[in-house]
Amino acid sequence: DSGVTQTPKHLITATGQRVTLRCSPRSGDLSVYWYQQSLDQGLQFLIQYYNGEERAKGNILERFSAQQFPDLHSELNLSSLELGDSALYFCASSSSAGFVIGELFFGEGSRLTVL
Amino acid sequence: DAKTTQPNSMESNEEEPVHLPCNHSTISGTDYIHWYRQLPSQGPEYVIHGLTSNVNNRMASLAIAEDRKSSTLILHRATLRDAAVYYCILRDGYGQNFVFGPGTRLSVLP
Repeated sequence: DSGVTQTPKHLITATGQRVTLRCSPRSGDLSVYWYQQSLDQGLQFLIQYYNGEERAKGNILERFSAQQFPDLHSELNLSSLELGDSALYFCASSSSAGFVIGELFFGEGSRLTVL
Repeated sequence: DAKTTQPNSMESNEEEPVHLPCNHSTISGTDYIHWYRQLPSQGPEYVIHGLTSNVNNRMASLAIAEDRKSSTLILHRATLRDAAVYYCILRDGYGQNFVFGPGTRLSVLP
């Protein structure tokens, strides 16, 4: 158990809909990272937050947004869903802001299926 | 982030050592070498990391070439549970994100 909690574990929805994925980091970790993993793309970095502020952006679509709240949990919002958004979405947390070591701890992922 | 190159797949027999190579010829002086692995149906998990010197922990050893342009993750005795995708990642001291490549899929044969 990494200490990172993601909900829901599974989600099935239709094209055009909007969903919210939630992540609770390990106790004390200030950084949260979001990754998307689909079969043909591998692990794609989406976005990082540190203590409520956006720190880095990867290949995140404009239809996707995220935020980190004062209690440090994070939400990833996916809107106008398309079939290609079906994937595993991982959240990871780290104690560091992004510099030096900061081992990442990953949650078990949220599997999104868009029909 | 600098790029890494790993073999797509490798095979090992159970209870034998496994050497997983990673090339990173464009590594900079501030890049740390990290290894993660992803077991089936799980999120990635940290294995080991290093900068210049070889490193050992309870899971594995990391051997870093003197010129730092390559490294090798060593699993001393592979078990069936070690079957996973292994990712070699470079991250500099001020890097804000972790970029994962395709990794090496390790199969362990009984």
